[in-house]
Amino acid sequence: GAGVSQSPSNKVTEKGKDVELRCDPISGHTALYWYRQSLGQGLEFLIYFQGNSAPDKSGLPSDRFSAERTGGSVSTLTIQRTQQEDSAVYLCASRPIQGPSSYEQYFGPGTRLTVT
Amino acid sequence: QQQVKQSPQSLIVQKGGISIINCAYENTAFDYFPWYQQFPGKGPALLIAIRPDVSEKKEGRFTISFNKSAKQFSLHIMDSQPGDSATYFCAASRGSNTGKLIFGQGTTLQVKP
Repeated sequence: GAGVSQSPSNKVTEKGKDVELRCDPISGHTALYWYRQSLGQGLEFLIYFQGNSAPDKSGLPSDRFSAERTGGSVSTLTIQRTQQEDSAVYLCASRPIQGPSSYEQYFGPGTRLTVT
Repeated sequence: QQQVKQSPQSLIVQKGGISIINCAYENTAFDYFPWYQQFPGKGPALLIAIRPDVSEKKEGRFTISFNKSAKQFSLHIMDSQPGDSATYFCAASRGSNTGKLIFGQGTTLQVKP
């Protein structure tokens, strides 16, 4: 079946502008994660959604970052007033929660964000 | 206590050789240890994973060895091929909880033909 998809694949924005990044998880996967991959920080967790539970926002680096998940499927990560240090690849992952593969997270191709 | 330390940072192996990458963790609550393979411009792909109730798991040329008492686990790639050249990340999580992955710093593997 289809994997995790993300859009756009690349985004160049000017410092101070807002950006929205989209993630479509694998159908039937109830858990969704956002991670950030940057040269200096490696791969780091940002936020986690599971069903109707309150999201785990413990990895968001500042209040300029927010995310939502509508209808238990598509998720949008929003970065307000972008800064140059926000330049990174933003990765989305989903996992099924139930069944023999319940711990396995599958990643999308990522969105490469460049803030100029 | 949330850290996962990975070594080496880079590795060069001849075709047909064995590639070994090591990771160490601190949090004994972790119950899931996956390895991801990442090619340039792509997202990480799940390669193989282990839970702490077993000491070894093998899938094809890839083997995870897990030492619970030492809080260490490693990836062995047997008969390494040039197509294995990629960046490898170990990770750990409490899959029984939120499952958020804590990643090692990554190892860039180059397999020379």
